[in-house]
Amino acid sequence: NAGVTQTPKFRVLKTGQSMTLLCAQDMNHEYMYWYRQDPGMGLRLIHYSVGEGTTAKGEVPDGYNVSRLKKQNFLLGLESAAPSQTSVYFCASSSTTEDRQETQYFGPGTRLLVL
Amino acid sequence: GQNIDQPTEMTATEGAIVQINCTYQTSGFNGLFWYQQHAGEAPTFLSYNVLDGLEEKGRFSSFLSRSKGYSYLLLKELQMKDSASYLCAALDSNYQLIWGAGTKLIIKP
Repeated sequence: NAGVTQTPKFRVLKTGQSMTLLCAQDMNHEYMYWYRQDPGMGLRLIHYSVGEGTTAKGEVPDGYNVSRLKKQNFLLGLESAAPSQTSVYFCASSSTTEDRQETQYFGPGTRLLVL
Repeated sequence: GQNIDQPTEMTATEGAIVQINCTYQTSGFNGLFWYQQHAGEAPTFLSYNVLDGLEEKGRFSSFLSRSKGYSYLLLKELQMKDSASYLCAALDSNYQLIWGAGTKLIIKP
């Protein structure tokens, strides 16, 4: 099992450009998440999904859109990149369990630099 | 508001013991996670506590006091490879994880 994978690993964008980050998981997890991680701050939830075809906003959703057309994939889109979106983006997935532990498993991250 | 507090940085010596504290304030509570994150890598799961008390896993132990909104991660017999950031996260009433900023642990020989 590959677990959670993310593409690309690194990207440089100019202000105003758009891009899509792809997350894939092979663990048959229902839940998927997109986070951003900035120096000195905790992981902040951008959007999440509780199942195929459903998405919801997290703590910092502005400037991002997501789609979950297939259970194993969760896409994060930046329509018009801004320097404030320079960050490391992590995708995670989890499965519901009887005790609701819902441990999240993370992908390797995408480092995005917006100039 | 919801908040997780943990020290920014700690230093310890190889072979010693270190305790990383975490206090939390969340809307409801459904458990406390600890993750390890090496520089440039993804967070990886270490432990989960939902009941009061100590959970031991080899060299790592995690403690929870729900009444005090307090947890700690105890690392014994420190090794150089334990140099990493340790993230505390609490699961709120909506089963959303609220993350602390992480504690950077520096191990010296």
